Amino acid sequence: GAVVSQHPSWVICKSGTSVKIECRSLDFQATTMFWYRQFPKQSLMLMATSNEGSKATYEQGVEKDKFLINHASLTLSTLTVTSAHPEDSSFYICSAHRTSGSGGETQYFGPGTRLLVL
Amino acid sequence: DAKTTQPPSMDCAEGRAANLPCNHSTISGNEYVYWYRQIHSQGPQYIIHGLKNNETNEMASLIITEDRKSSTLILPHATLRDTAVYYCIVRVRDNYGQNFVFGPGTRLSVLP
Repeated sequence: GAVVSQHPSWVICKSGTSVKIECRSLDFQATTMFWYRQFPKQSLMLMATSNEGSKATYEQGVEKDKFLINHASLTLSTLTVTSAHPEDSSFYICSAHRTSGSGGETQYFGPGTRLLVL
Repeated sequence: DAKTTQPPSMDCAEGRAANLPCNHSTISGNEYVYWYRQIHSQGPQYIIHGLKNNETNEMASLIITEDRKSSTLILPHATLRDTAVYYCIVRVRDNYGQNFVFGPGTRLSVLP
């Protein structure tokens, strides 16, 4: 199947600092990527939709100035958590939409990035 | 997107078939059924998807009822590594990209 990577896989930072997470589609181009957040024992919750070359679309309740998304190329989207606080500690997961004429159209998820804010 | 209902948890003996049900009684004619699983502390992994015909790949089989109101994911010979949360999602498949809405899923425990 298609491969989506995330970097870093885990990060610990001090409160007030900013953290950047990268999401890459390694073997296909993705005009659309998605960012999810998952708290312990809960399901994935969509944060925003990232479209290459345009502004991201944020879900209700997600602060766009706090969670900056950049989708500068067809294989890379970045999520920057600005001025991180302990309540931002979570598991952040990206996915990339792959289209194919052979019926393989679906979304592929990255391995996730665990963020711990002290 | 149509809402799905799955049992919160299931157990399965190692080596036996695991049959995971999903109800999607309000599914529309252009909505597909997707299955993903999430092993602890990893991102979701795509398993299989289908519209109305049964599908099979190297990981699993997907059986969709004729009225499309329910489906079953079958792992033919479950192993301990299949222990995970399994998500059944229905959504329209299009070329513009659309997020997946994750419910609580079914926590499958494969027992030795």
